This record gives sequence, C-alpha cells and structure tokens, in this order.
Amino acid sequence: DSGVTQTPKHLITATGQRVTLRCSPRSGDLSVYWYQQSLDQGLQFLIHYYNGEERAKGNILERFSAQQFPDLHSELNLSSLELGDSALYFCASTIGTGRTEQYFGPGTRLTVT
Amino acid sequence: GESVGLHLPTLSVQEGDNSIINCAYSNSASDYFIWYKQESGKGPQFIIDIRSNMDKRQGQRVTVLLNKTVKHLSLQIAATQPGDSAVYFCAENKNYGQNFVFGPGTRLSVLP
Repeated sequence: DSGVTQTPKHLITATGQRVTLRCSPRSGDLSVYWYQQSLDQGLQFLIHYYNGEERAKGNILERFSAQQFPDLHSELNLSSLELGDSALYFCASTIGTGRTEQYFGPGTRLTVT
Repeated sequence: GESVGLHLPTLSVQEGDNSIINCAYSNSASDYFIWYKQESGKGPQFIIDIRSNMDKRQGQRVTVLLNKTVKHLSLQIAATQPGDSAVYFCAENKNYGQNFVFGPGTRLSVLP
C-alpha cells in the first residue's frame, strides 16, 4: 500500500458527460501528479501540483482540469467526455518538487460508453 | 485487471536467472532516469533512479546502467523471482521533479 488513495475505483459514464476523480496524497507529501494510462499510449503525464499551485503541464487536454486544495487532496475534472478518454487515471505524490520517487495510487478506471 | 497495453515487448526469463530490461530515451537534457514496476491491477512502484551524471547505480538485487552516448538505460535484476513478473517502465525526469516522461514498458515474465 503506497499511502495514496484514489476514488472512485471504477467509473462508467456516457460521452459528453463530466466526471471528477479524487486523489489524496501520502501524509506529508506536498506534490501531486496526474497520469493517464491507456492501451495505445502508455503512461502519459498530465499535470503536477505542489502545495496548491500548478507547477507543470504535460499532455493535458483543454477539456481536462485539475486543482489541489488546501488540505492537499487533488481533483481531476474531465468534461465533454469522448470514447478515447477511457483509460486508467493515476495520481502520484512526492514530498516535494525535486524528488523522483513517486508513490502511485491504485488508479481510477474510467470507461466512457 | 490489466494495467498496460496488450502489445508490449515481452521478456521471458527462467526463475533464478538474471534479467536485463532495456530502454531508449530521447532527451539528453533529462536530469534523472527512473525505473518503475507495475504489477497487474496496481499503480507503478518506484524501483530505482539514476542521476544523469552517473553511469551505474545499484540497489537491492537491481542495477541500473546509463549510457548517455547512445541514450540507453538498462535495468538488471539479479536472481529473478516469480514476484518480479510485472511491466517495467523507464521514465525520464526533466526540471528536477516537474515533468516525467515514461517509456512504453516491457513485460517481464518469470518462468518456473
């Protein structure tokens, strides 16, 4: 158990809908990273937050947004969902920004029908 | 459930043998290179990292080698065990923890 929690575990929704994925980092970790893992594209970095502030953006679509709250949990919002958004979404946390040892949560499996 | 794509390169090794998993990277400006292990139905798990100014680093049963001349990274696992069966990803880190770029992964299958 990495200490990172993600909810929900599974989510099934229809095209055009909006969903929110939630991540709670390990106790004491200030950085949260979001990743998308799909069958055809592997693990893609989406966005990184540190202590409430956005620090880096990867291949994140404009339909997707994220935020990190004062209690350090983070939410990833996915809107106008398309079939191609079906994937596993992972969050990971580290204690700071200059660390490579990320602790990954168990993931949320999103299925868009 | 499955955690990665169906068409990954696969390495099959006999239990007790050594495994070598290879990775080519693209950005010579990366600061760190990292290896992760992902078991079925779980999130990736950090194994070991190496700073870009090093060429070798050893951990418990694992060794990472970095060849910057040919932009190649390898993970060696000694005395491979059934519990080592998983998908292994290499990742490049730029900007000291800001961005991570993952490779496509290699599936390691340990044969009894």
